Amino acid sequence: EAQVTQNPRYLITVTGKKLTVTCSQNMNHEYMSWYRQDPGLGLRQIYYSMNVEVTDKGDVPEGYKVSRKEKRNFPLILESPSPNQTSLYFCASSILASYNEQFFGPGTRLTVL
Amino acid sequence: QKEVEQDPGPLSVPEGAIVSLNCTYSNSAFQYFMWYRQYSRKGPELLMYTYSSGNKEDGRFTAQVDKSSKYISLFIRDSQPSDSATYLCAMMITGNQFYFGTGTSLTVIP
Repeated sequence: EAQVTQNPRYLITVTGKKLTVTCSQNMNHEYMSWYRQDPGLGLRQIYYSMNVEVTDKGDVPEGYKVSRKEKRNFPLILESPSPNQTSLYFCASSILASYNEQFFGPGTRLTVL
Repeated sequence: QKEVEQDPGPLSVPEGAIVSLNCTYSNSAFQYFMWYRQYSRKGPELLMYTYSSGNKEDGRFTAQVDKSSKYISLFIRDSQPSDSATYLCAMMITGNQFYFGTGTSLTVIP
């Protein structure tokens, strides 16, 4: 089944404890992206990657890191999480950077205490 | 000023009503305009996209783009309870970032 998977789905952690949220797609998509969704602010793009080893900042990259060493994986790293990073995170992928349809993962709900 | 502004809602309509959802934007470089639907506890899924000004129809859904006014709309005809979801407008500069509206929560009452 064609899909975007994220792990973990739910995570409660404490300030400053490094964490990684994994994202994997099995559709051979070139473009991958991370978003956070907050009430009243909507979906905001954190980072995106147009292909392997190519990443760019989105609207809200501060406090996050990403890497794209393989086409299928695009992990999101929080080196020192803070409470303002408590949010619902979505990974998405699309065939090409210029293609409109992004396929979204199921989301990761992160709480930073 | 946000790049994309969307009517906040929430919107509650009776079954069979025509629903109008709207977004405005400020960046004239946006070339692609999309509407995503998000059910509760799920990721968004693409509903419709348009590239140019004008209307695009797909079944009960019509997407409208007015580039001169920087305004986009989504119309849902004969709304059904299964249309109850949050609708997000999204815009893109080719090969670049996506910008989403805050979403409008729609409830269609049987």
